[in-house]
Amino acid sequence: ETGVTQTPRHLVMGMTNKKSLKCEQHLGHNAMYWYKQSAKKPLELMFVYNFKEQTENNSVPSRFSPECPNSSHLFLHLHTLQPEDSALYLCASSHSGLAGPYEQYFGPGTRLTVT
Amino acid sequence: QQPVQSPQAVILREGEDAVINCSSSKALYSVHWYRQKHGEAPVFLMILLKGGEQKGHDKISASFNEKKQQSSLYLTASQLSYSGTYFCGTPKGSFGGYQKVTFGTGTKLQVIP
Repeated sequence: ETGVTQTPRHLVMGMTNKKSLKCEQHLGHNAMYWYKQSAKKPLELMFVYNFKEQTENNSVPSRFSPECPNSSHLFLHLHTLQPEDSALYLCASSHSGLAGPYEQYFGPGTRLTVT
Repeated sequence: QQPVQSPQAVILREGEDAVINCSSSKALYSVHWYRQKHGEAPVFLMILLKGGEQKGHDKISASFNEKKQQSSLYLTASQLSYSGTYFCGTPKGSFGGYQKVTFGTGTKLQVIP
């Protein structure tokens, strides 16, 4: 596998379910990001992890819980979601350091539908 | 606050040129440009660092005027493969570290034969 991978690619879940999204990067990057992309809305940054430490939480509801066990893996744990949470969830990664700024590499996304 | 892009959508015939603008209400240190094709992930095009600097990517180039807090993306002699949604992104803060990027609303570009 190369680049940034995400699983699953599609997910349908009920409002009372608990599920997790997984992201893996094979690029040797130190920063990883979760974005939400809704129809007719810009990409919204949700979380940033830099060297496994969460550095940004963009006022995201607590029903979204990120986890970054190492620099290559990022998870987004979902529970008791609302229908308005239906969206494309994109993971990205980048280098991190003083020689930046650096471009971000995006995964293909997980299309989430909350019923 | 997110940058504002214009136009929101544009349709071109192959070979025509287009300009996409990105404006910010905040001071800019750099501007990122990405393209997202339908059903695919956004793909990096370029980062502009200095005021007035132009960078190129094939027949796609961009300029950055930090005084005006604006960037423009120029697509020359458009090809069918240029179709997609173009996003500008404005990072918070200056260089280095990770990039907390705020993306614009996007410009949907369609190139037709």
